[in-house]
Amino acid sequence: QKEVEQNSGPLSVPEGAIASLNCTYSDRGSQSFFWYRQYSGKSPELIMFIYSNGDKEDGRFTAQLNKASQYVSLLIRDSQPSDSATYLCAVNNYGGSQGNLIFGKGTKLSVKP
Amino acid sequence: EAQVTQNPRYLITVTGKKLTVTCSQNMNHEYMSWYRQDPGLGLRQIYYSMNVEVTDKGDVPEGYKVSRKEKRNFPLILESPSPNQTSLYFCASSSSGSGRREQFFGPGTRLTVL
Repeated sequence: QKEVEQNSGPLSVPEGAIASLNCTYSDRGSQSFFWYRQYSGKSPELIMFIYSNGDKEDGRFTAQLNKASQYVSLLIRDSQPSDSATYLCAVNNYGGSQGNLIFGKGTKLSVKP
Repeated sequence: EAQVTQNPRYLITVTGKKLTVTCSQNMNHEYMSWYRQDPGLGLRQIYYSMNVEVTDKGDVPEGYKVSRKEKRNFPLILESPSPNQTSLYFCASSSSGSGRREQFFGPGTRLTVL
């Protein structure tokens, strides 16, 4: 059973701080990694994707991938109250098809003013 | 406006009464997928479709059917709904396989089976 694990939280950080969200995955053959943000009662929306080892930065967001450790993280700099949401890590499962995307259960982030 | 639409948005039904949740996208995407989201279990894939007439099971297909007769539509069918299918359902689409493409999600359908 291919799995994606996330700490459910809640993770609470003060406004302006760095929020660090972590994700591990079990399938060593996974090649594509996504971070989605989901506000309460809304549908998920893509924040970042990463394919290669190392860091990828987009504005206040940085995704980090370490395939050897099967670990992917998302850093949010200068956290804002509007960043308060559940963050979903998703991994492409290459088990015979590109179509099977496996999601973690999500980490709930709360940014306190 | 590029979007994925789902209907109905909310549905309360009774055990055994067949229902269909429609999903439509206007982005000419080849790939479409259905997920259910439950507290403590996260998003789980039910079925996906790589293109017209091509569908495959996800992680939790039992009790569901799908069809893909047209590129833009991917309905989810519950032939005999049961209370354990009470959930929040999302349809998603992307321009090709989910491997390297963003999936765009619909607004969700909240289903209650009594």
